[in-house]
Amino acid sequence: QQPVQSPQAVILREGEDAVINCSSSKALYSVHWYRQKHGEAPVFLMILLKGGEQKGHEKISASFNEKKQQSSLYLTASQLSYSGTYFCGTESYPGGSNYKLTFGKGTLLTVNP
Amino acid sequence: GAGVSQSPRYKVAKRGQDVALRCDPISGHVSLFWYQQALGQGPEFLTYFQNEAQLDKSGLPSDRFFAERPEGSVSTLKIQRTQQEDSAVYLCASSLGIAADTQYFGPGTRLTVL
Repeated sequence: QQPVQSPQAVILREGEDAVINCSSSKALYSVHWYRQKHGEAPVFLMILLKGGEQKGHEKISASFNEKKQQSSLYLTASQLSYSGTYFCGTESYPGGSNYKLTFGKGTLLTVNP
Repeated sequence: GAGVSQSPRYKVAKRGQDVALRCDPISGHVSLFWYQQALGQGPEFLTYFQNEAQLDKSGLPSDRFFAERPEGSVSTLKIQRTQQEDSAVYLCASSLGIAADTQYFGPGTRLTVL
């Protein structure tokens, strides 16, 4: 089942903060976050794993609440380059797998000067 | 190093034509995924390969869709007798491992069926 992302869209001024949420009706193995700019490939931001392990390579933070089956992505001091559509992808159980991602519909983030 | 590449980047087909979309994953990556992305939506899983084995094809929308990865590297997604509803961006992704690993996406092939 598709995770639900909120908000659907957000507009910021450069330097402001934003939080993007992702929630699932199923228990989750992991949550993957990606950013996609128009016409480009989704770019990996972060993986959060059941049990608390977190893997990422950019200065972006995130949380994963296993009990609530929710994840949040925190963007602080936003830059113009943060603009794009943010997707969460989830691996869930029961009935899921440890490789297949189900993506939300995305959150469109626009950062203005 | 080189990322995931896909070709062609754009494909226009007349309804009923067959198309073949190619994916070159990152060298050495065991896992390869195909996704379909409709306008304004997130990617939707189509199929998964571990090396040359197609372990999951549960997302393929109909028997007109085939995918192969015969030597465990390059993969081809083939769509026979294309329909207008097949119009979408087809994304390929690869990952080094087989579980909960980072998936690296290619730029996609935008297929338009007239």
